[in-house]
Amino acid sequence: KAGVTQTPRYLIKTRGQQVTLSCSPISGHRSVSWYQQTPGQGLQFLFEYFSETQRNKGNFPGRFSGRQFSNSRSEMNVSTLELGDSALYLCASSSGDAWHGYTFGSGTRLTVV
Amino acid sequence: SQQGEEDPQALSIQEGENATMNCSYKTSINNLQWYRQNSGRGLVHLILIRSNEREKHSGRLRVTLDTSKKSSSLLITASRAADTASYFCGVVTNAGKSTFGDGTTLTVKP
Repeated sequence: KAGVTQTPRYLIKTRGQQVTLSCSPISGHRSVSWYQQTPGQGLQFLFEYFSETQRNKGNFPGRFSGRQFSNSRSEMNVSTLELGDSALYLCASSSGDAWHGYTFGSGTRLTVV
Repeated sequence: SQQGEEDPQALSIQEGENATMNCSYKTSINNLQWYRQNSGRGLVHLILIRSNEREKHSGRLRVTLDTSKKSSSLLITASRAADTASYFCGVVTNAGKSTFGDGTTLTVKP
């Protein structure tokens, strides 16, 4: 059974640009959550999508957005990049039932210069 | 401050010793999950404990949950150098929202 796949693994962008990250969940999983991990802030919840609808949202500015497609694949977009957006972005998939655990991908390392 | 706060922030022990990490949270939960993360990689799910459970075991791992104190602990027995990693607790509310703490960095010296 394939795991959670995140692409790309590494990304370097310039301030002001925008970026799109992709996450393919485990087959059959309908929930995809996104997290930002930085040394200073730890693991911060961005948002969760379930069946193409945003179900939960963290405390991030509107520059951070996401969507989920009918095949449960999810994309996260960050516009007008800032240096502080440099982080490891992790996505996690689950069946959507809170009783079950999450499976995380290996993450996308974004560096903003 | 956010839910799922781990304590201590860092822990250094010798191989063979036991390691105990704690997690505290603030609101009612549906379940609590412990994860391990090796440097710069994704999180690996270790154990999920439901709000109506008090203790769970998996190999050398033992997790306890005290909902009256809103806290959980992860015990790793007979630690190995390969256990060196960061350990996170994730709290899942009944609304399905998950939050994680900053993690405990465990170093096991050979």
